[in-house]
Amino acid sequence: EAGVAQSPRYKIIEKRQSVAFWCNPISGHATLYWYQQILGQGPKLLIQFQNNGVVDDSQLPKDRFSAERLKGVDSTLKIQPAKLEDSAVYLCASGGPTLYGYTFGSGTRLTVV
Amino acid sequence: GQQVMQIPQYQHVQEGEDFTTYCNSSTTLSNIQWYKQRPGGHPVFLIQLVKSGEVKKQKRLTFQFGEAKKNSSLHITATQTTDVGTYFCWIGNQFYFGTGTSLTVIP
Repeated sequence: EAGVAQSPRYKIIEKRQSVAFWCNPISGHATLYWYQQILGQGPKLLIQFQNNGVVDDSQLPKDRFSAERLKGVDSTLKIQPAKLEDSAVYLCASGGPTLYGYTFGSGTRLTVV
Repeated sequence: GQQVMQIPQYQHVQEGEDFTTYCNSSTTLSNIQWYKQRPGGHPVFLIQLVKSGEVKKQKRLTFQFGEAKKNSSLHITATQTTDVGTYFCWIGNQFYFGTGTSLTVIP
């Protein structure tokens, strides 16, 4: 079974620039999450999708972050404009039956300078 | 809102010693999952607990869910250097990770 694919692996941008991350979940997984993990902290949920609908985006800073999941498969997370405090690893996870937990991608490490 | 404390934050052990991390909630949990994250890696699912008082074992790892479903523990017997990493509990109610316990194993 292929894992969760994320790209790019690394990204360095200047503050106020825009950036987008891509996630391809495991085939057939209806649930998809985006998490932000700042160095030394636990992952923080940004948004949860069920198929192509948003279940929870209460923690997403909507003035600068946006996310979509077209056709209930791939998802993109965008930051516009980026701030220094957005430097973090952005993790995508997908899941089927909860008994088997969620599978995380390798993440995108964003550095904002 | 729901508050989850994970303790200790850091733990250094000699190889062969035991290790335990605890996840404590102020409210009843529907289920809890445990994940391991190696340095520089991503979280990897270990186990899910659903029932009150549930105990599950995976080789040297023992997971427990409290009777009141407000706390959980992960115990590693005879740690090995491969156990190094950060262990997170994940709260099913709100898709929320605990603060994590970073385990260092000294050979």
